[in-house]
Amino acid sequence: DMKVTQMPRYLIKRMGENVLLECGQDMSHETMYWYRQDPGLGLQLIYISYDVDSNSEGDIPKGYRVSRKKREHFSLILDSAKTNQTSVYFCASSLGGRSYEQYFGPGTRLTVL
Amino acid sequence: GDSVTQTEGLVTLTEGLPVMLNCTYQTIYSNPFLFWYVHYLNESPRLLLKSSTDNKRTEHQGFHATLHKSSSSFHLQKSSAQLSDSALYYCALRNSGTYQRFGTGTKLQVVP
Repeated sequence: DMKVTQMPRYLIKRMGENVLLECGQDMSHETMYWYRQDPGLGLQLIYISYDVDSNSEGDIPKGYRVSRKKREHFSLILDSAKTNQTSVYFCASSLGGRSYEQYFGPGTRLTVL
Repeated sequence: GDSVTQTEGLVTLTEGLPVMLNCTYQTIYSNPFLFWYVHYLNESPRLLLKSSTDNKRTEHQGFHATLHKSSSSFHLQKSSAQLSDSALYYCALRNSGTYQRFGTGTKLQVVP
C-alpha cells in the first residue's frame, strides 16, 4: 500500500525550542517535499529533495532546514522555532518525471507558543 | 516565473447545482502539466485529476477539466454538487522546472 507517514501528528513547542518533523514513504520515490499550509496561502513549498543528500530550497526556506540520509526518509528541522512558524506541515513524495502526481502525508499541526 | 491563480477563496453552492472552480496559470513553457488536488478535512491531499493534451477533457470521480492552452486555463467542473464534495481544492502547475507550483486553493462548501 503506497503511503507517506508523518510524525508527530500534533506538536506544541515554545518559541526558541528546536523542532523535528519526520516523514517516511514506502514507494521508493526519488523526490520528496515539505510544504506548509496556511489559510489563504495554500501549499507553500519549503524544501525539495531530489534524492539522498540532494536538497534544494523551495519558495519559503528561511527558518527551516532539511535532512535526507535515506531515500525513504526526509526530515524538516526548525532551529529556534518562531511563533509565525505555527502551521500545518505536509510532506509529499513523487517519482521524478514532471507528469507524476505527488503523494501527501497526513500532516503535522505545529503550534509555537 | 510560473504562477497559478485560483480567484475564489470560498465557493458556497447548493447541493445539485453545477460546480466550476477556476484555475489559470502563467508559464513560458509550452507543454505544462496541470493538476487538481482535493483535500478533505482530516485527510491527506490527493490527486483528483491531471491534464492530458491541449483541449482534451480528463475526468475522474464525476469531476472533469480541460486544458486550454489558448486561455491558460484548467477549470474544474462537475455537473451536480454533492455534500461530500465539500473540501479544499488546489490547482497545480508543473512545467520543465523542478517542482509543481500550487495555487492558493479554493474551499468548496456544498449546502443542502
